[in-house]
Amino acid sequence: DSGVTQTPKHLITATGQRVTLRCSPRSGDLSVYWYQQSLDQGLQFLIQYYNGEERAKGNILERFSAQQFPDLHSELNLSSLELGDSALYFCASSVAAISPEAFFGQGTRLTVV
Amino acid sequence: DQQVKQNSPSLSVQEGRISILNCDYTNSMFDYFLWYKKYPAEGPTFLISISSIKDKNEDGRFTVFLNKSAKHLSLHIVPSQPGDSAVYFCAAFLGGSEKLVFGKGTKLTVNP
Repeated sequence: DSGVTQTPKHLITATGQRVTLRCSPRSGDLSVYWYQQSLDQGLQFLIQYYNGEERAKGNILERFSAQQFPDLHSELNLSSLELGDSALYFCASSVAAISPEAFFGQGTRLTVV
Repeated sequence: DQQVKQNSPSLSVQEGRISILNCDYTNSMFDYFLWYKKYPAEGPTFLISISSIKDKNEDGRFTVFLNKSAKHLSLHIVPSQPGDSAVYFCAAFLGGSEKLVFGKGTKLTVNP
C-alpha cells in the first residue's frame, strides 16, 4: 500500500460527459502528480500541483483540468469525454516540489462508451 | 516523439537466471533515471534509480547500469524470481522541467 488513495477505481461513462477523479496523497506529501496511461502507452505526465499551486504541466488537454485543495487532496476533471480518453489515470505524490521518486495510487480505470 | 524507449514489450526468463531490461533515451539533458515496477491492478512502485553522474547503482538483486555515451540504461535482476514478474517502466527526469518521462514498459515473466 503506497498510501496514495484514488477513487473511484473504475468508471464507465458516455461520450460527451464530464467526470471527476479524486486523489488523496500520502500523509505529509505536498506534491500531487497526474498521469494517463492509454492502451500500449507509457505513463504520460499530465500535471503537477505543489501545496495548492500548479507546478508543472505536461500534455494535458484543454478539456482536462485539475486542482489541489487546502487539505492537499486533488481532483482531475475530464470533460466533453471522447472514446480516446479511455485510459488508466494515476495519481502520485511526493514530499518535495521536485522529486523524481513518487508514490503512485492504484489508478482509476476510465472507460468511455 | 518518444524520448524514452523500451523496445522489448516482453521478456521471459527462467527462475534463477539473469533478467536484463533495456531502455534507450534521446535527450542528453536527462539527469536522473529510474525504474518502476508495476503489478496488475496496482500503481507503479519505485524500484531503483541512478544519477547521470554515475554509471552503476546496486540494490540487492537489482543493478542499474547507465551508458551516457550510448544514451542507454539497463536493469539487471540476479537471480530472477517468480515474484519479479511484472511490468517494468524506465523513466527519465529532467530537473529543469520537473517532469518524469516514462517508457512504454517491458513485461517480465519469470518462469519457475
